[in-house]
Amino acid sequence: GQNIDQPTEMTATEGAIVQINCTYQTSGFNGLFWYQQHAGEAPTFLSYNVLDGLEEKGRFSSFLSRSKGYSYLLLKELQMKDSASYLCAVRDPNDYKLSFGAGTTVTVRA
Amino acid sequence: DTAVSQTPKYLVTQMGNDKSIKCEQNLGHDTMYWYKQDSKKFLKIMFSYNNKELIINETVPNRFSPKSPDKAHLNLHINSLELGDSAVYFCASSQDPKAEAFFGQGTRLTVV
Repeated sequence: GQNIDQPTEMTATEGAIVQINCTYQTSGFNGLFWYQQHAGEAPTFLSYNVLDGLEEKGRFSSFLSRSKGYSYLLLKELQMKDSASYLCAVRDPNDYKLSFGAGTTVTVRA
Repeated sequence: DTAVSQTPKYLVTQMGNDKSIKCEQNLGHDTMYWYKQDSKKFLKIMFSYNNKELIINETVPNRFSPKSPDKAHLNLHINSLELGDSAVYFCASSQDPKAEAFFGQGTRLTVV
């Protein structure tokens, strides 16, 4: 089975940094994805980690530790438009199915 | 140009009706998906097709039937709609089963 945990909500100030943690206990692992979803819109792909370490993409970075079953998404220089839900998803190695966490709603305040 | 488009965007219907949601992608991808997102925002895979072949079929009622007439289209037909079917249904596509998925804008289905 798949068990993916992430905090429900986080609030941060414009210009600040926020770190969204994701822990997983899955029957197999073939990569971890982060998606951003604004209210009422489609999820959009942010990042992908399959090896341990940090992947940086502009203001967003994602980290993975496979031995700990742990990932985080780091959002730097927060902007109001970053207010959204952030979804962590783990891919199954057998059928490549993505299992999503419940998402973390980030609210950026002025 | 819309990459993954699904219609309709909103669908309100009565219990017991049969309805279809259509999805088309113009990205040239081989793999397409249907996801369901419930009121608690959990996004769950329902079906996946690769090159028109069904590769993922999660435990969903057999009232739900996907149809892929070609690689660019994956439609979802739902028979005998129930109140619990109310959710947002997302279509998505990816280059192959391993690649990141691109999602459509979603269809908000409300069964009354």
